Amino acid sequence: AQRVTQPEKLLSVFKGAPVELKCNYSYSGSPELFWYVQYSRQRLQLLLRHISRESIKGFTADLNKGETSFHLKKPFAQEEDSAMYYCALFPNSGGSNYKLTFGKGTLLTVNP
Amino acid sequence: EAGVAQSPRYKIIEKRQSVAFWCNPISGHATLYWYQQILGQGPKLLIQFQNNGVVDDSQLPKDRFSAERLKGVDSTLKIQPAKLEDSAVYLCASSLGPGGQSGGKNYGYTFGSGTRLTVV
Repeated sequence: AQRVTQPEKLLSVFKGAPVELKCNYSYSGSPELFWYVQYSRQRLQLLLRHISRESIKGFTADLNKGETSFHLKKPFAQEEDSAMYYCALFPNSGGSNYKLTFGKGTLLTVNP
Repeated sequence: EAGVAQSPRYKIIEKRQSVAFWCNPISGHATLYWYQQILGQGPKLLIQFQNNGVVDDSQLPKDRFSAERLKGVDSTLKIQPAKLEDSAVYLCASSLGPGGQSGGKNYGYTFGSGTRLTVV
């Protein structure tokens, strides 16, 4: 079965500093990876997906199959980036585990 | 486009009482999910519907939880009787197709704002 691990429950940085939110996964096939974000008092929403190789709000994430990681990065953090971030995995091989699995989340706080 | 609608936003009940949550997905989204998010944890899938059929309910505690999507549109999730450990946010999400996939692309899920349940 697939598993997503976000080793940091809390991450605090200063405005303008680089930020990296770690995500590691275990899955025997070729997964699709996502980052979801939940700002205070807002609903959970899709931030970016690895297959699109996009940059959203200055965030990027690269899938490293060798290290089974999908870390989220931003070179200069802003206060409005403060939120809960969830890494999620979707198994492309289907079968009984054909569902989106979330990590436990990392709470990012960007201090002024 | 309108988002995923959920109600109520908050609910406080005593243990052993029953409670129901409602979800209306985005129009045209065939797949609907109910997730349970306990404080400090990531969302956990309870049940997934494809139109009005259940695709995955392997993590649904069927002795007390039930869900239906009779007409393949809106859905209700019920807990009867509730336990203290059921206190959580219940999230509804929808997608074009299973896992968010449609036409060979994955569009992700759209989540509702959730229902925060407190069992006392």
